[in-house]
Amino acid sequence: KNQVEQSPQSLIILEGKNCTLQCNYTVSPFSNLRWYKQDTGRGPVSLTIMTFSENTKSNGRYTATLDADTKQSSLHITASQLSDSASYICVVSGDRGSTLGRLYFGRGTQLTVWP
Amino acid sequence: NAGVTQTPKFQVLKTGQSMTLQCAQDMNHEYMSWYRQDPGMGLRLIHYSVGAGITDQGEVPNGYNVSRSTTEDFPLRLLSAAPSQTSVYFCASSQSRGTSVNNEQFFGPGTRLTVL
Repeated sequence: KNQVEQSPQSLIILEGKNCTLQCNYTVSPFSNLRWYKQDTGRGPVSLTIMTFSENTKSNGRYTATLDADTKQSSLHITASQLSDSASYICVVSGDRGSTLGRLYFGRGTQLTVWP
Repeated sequence: NAGVTQTPKFQVLKTGQSMTLQCAQDMNHEYMSWYRQDPGMGLRLIHYSVGAGITDQGEVPNGYNVSRSTTEDFPLRLLSAAPSQTSVYFCASSQSRGTSVNNEQFFGPGTRLTVL
């Protein structure tokens, strides 16, 4: 069964600290993996996208890693800011056949940054 | 360039009422879709469209209808609202249905629907 699992479900950190969010998936065949940020009351916004051949991709203070062999991804946030408080959603795209164009959504990690 | 817009932002219905959630995009995208987001669950696909005049069901289509008469608009209709349809609804669009890294899905701001 094609699934995306994220951990932890929620996380509280102090402003300025780093954190890492995890995403494990079973989607196969795999096309790409995106991390989205969803602010409260808003729609998700793409942070990074990674394909099978990419191991690391950065977007400012956000760094995503991908291990396609173990089907794991992580999102590392450096020097957190209050504006990082949001839900972070891992989304995996299927590649072909019944999964072509299909997006598989994780349940998200709710990050709260305290001053 | 407004991106993906949705109206209304909030709506309260009584069981059995009908309504239409509006979605529009100004990016000339062929692919549009509707998702619902419930607490503790990932976004689930309701219906999608690969172009004007073409629609298809997602994983949770029951109780919802869609049509796509223009490239820009993709309304979602609730024919007879039920409490189980209480959720936040997101419309999204992308250039195509494909999985290219350039084919990013853009989401609207969402409609929060409560059915009493």
